[in-house]
Amino acid sequence: DAGITQSPRHKVTETGTPVTLRCHQTENHRYMYWYRQDPGHGLRLIHYSYGVKDTDKGEVSDGYSVSRSKTEDFLLTLESATSSQTSVYFCAISESGASNQPQHFGDGTRLSIL
Amino acid sequence: AQTVTQSQPEMSVQEAETVTLSCTYDTSESDYYLFWYKQPPSRQMILVIRQEAYKQQNATENRFSVNFQKAAKSFSLKISDSQLGDAAMYFCAYRSARGSQGNLIFGKGTKLSVKP
Repeated sequence: DAGITQSPRHKVTETGTPVTLRCHQTENHRYMYWYRQDPGHGLRLIHYSYGVKDTDKGEVSDGYSVSRSKTEDFLLTLESATSSQTSVYFCAISESGASNQPQHFGDGTRLSIL
Repeated sequence: AQTVTQSQPEMSVQEAETVTLSCTYDTSESDYYLFWYKQPPSRQMILVIRQEAYKQQNATENRFSVNFQKAAKSFSLKISDSQLGDAAMYFCAYRSARGSQGNLIFGKGTKLSVKP
């Protein structure tokens, strides 16, 4: 299994509070991704990173920010959480961008915002 | 923009039988990759099989095989000799071979039940 650790695995918080999710990899892969999974929508890309301090927006980036100060860590921050951000969040890694190498996924973080 | 459509929200199969999950996609690109991922109740996303668009031969992985029809933009997954452990959500995904983003575009998934 690819060495990807997401933390926390579960979190419950209140509307308006800041939340940070962490993705840690031990594979030294260049690309890292954050997706959210909601019923009826499959997985949708929030942000991705193609190197240290190199990030870009995905399909559903509003309300989220990311940071990557080290190859192994990719942080997803909700500055002021809203109930619409209740979801399961997946981190994924990939050796390169445009290739047949698959993305490997972490086990997900279930985030509930009350 | 590319889209991926899985028209079967739920499917059911008898243990030991064969089932086919459908996936269609829309793209103007000629070079890309297609994937099937399995998500059991444990929530983990597991790669089942991959297909390069430039390869005419359909990919196979043990009991899993695909029927890739490039002209029709169709990429179905066939599971032979279904087992109880095959029960899961199955997601079809597209990845461009161009550019540097590399993200996957997912369909909405098909929930597969396996009856003993």
